[in-house]
Amino acid sequence: DQQVKQNSPSLSVQEGRISILNCDYTNSMFDYFLWYKKYPAEGPTFLISISSIKDKNEDGRFTVFLNKSAKHLSLHIVPSQPGDSAVYFCAAKGRETGANNLFFGTGTRLTVIP
Amino acid sequence: EAGVVQSPRYKIIEKKQPVAFWCNPISGHNTLYWYLQNLGQGPELLIRYENEEAVDDSQLPKDRFSAERLKGVDSTLKIQPAELGDSAVYLCASSFSSWDEQFFGPGTRLTVL
Repeated sequence: DQQVKQNSPSLSVQEGRISILNCDYTNSMFDYFLWYKKYPAEGPTFLISISSIKDKNEDGRFTVFLNKSAKHLSLHIVPSQPGDSAVYFCAAKGRETGANNLFFGTGTRLTVIP
Repeated sequence: EAGVVQSPRYKIIEKKQPVAFWCNPISGHNTLYWYLQNLGQGPELLIRYENEEAVDDSQLPKDRFSAERLKGVDSTLKIQPAELGDSAVYLCASSFSSWDEQFFGPGTRLTVL
């Protein structure tokens, strides 16, 4: 049972425009959410996170929004750059779901077109 | 600072053969994780170690998979015998403690023929 879902396998965006990646979750016990970025032949690297007590967290060009009532979060990248082209994974965890055990979505491949 | 090191990076074996993957976590990281990533999927936790103790191995298929983390540093994940469905990327990650950020290695891509 997939507890974290990313329904868009791919997304293409023009350089300079906004990229919006979406993620939905089903387990209401999740209280911390993360986005990871993965380049080919590399492991995922942490990008940005948000606690369930917040609805927005911003870090430079990256902003994550959390809508707890809808069990939905999104990652906004603005402006998008060609170097942002990668696979983005949404992940979630909670104290009631096992320490630091992360539950990952299936990923969205972002392509930023120069 | 060196990241998480995994070897080999790629492995091709025939079904029913044994295979082993090695992971060296970031120095000082007490928690070590092994994940399985199937094609087109996100990573799924197989086992989590706190120092040398396996504290969560509920998702590890124990009939053919085994893992160890002797002395609480390096870890080895073994499959014996390998099946066609084991073809995947095996990721190792480490964190300072159970609640800290996880750092991932590059993974070992296993192909079972």
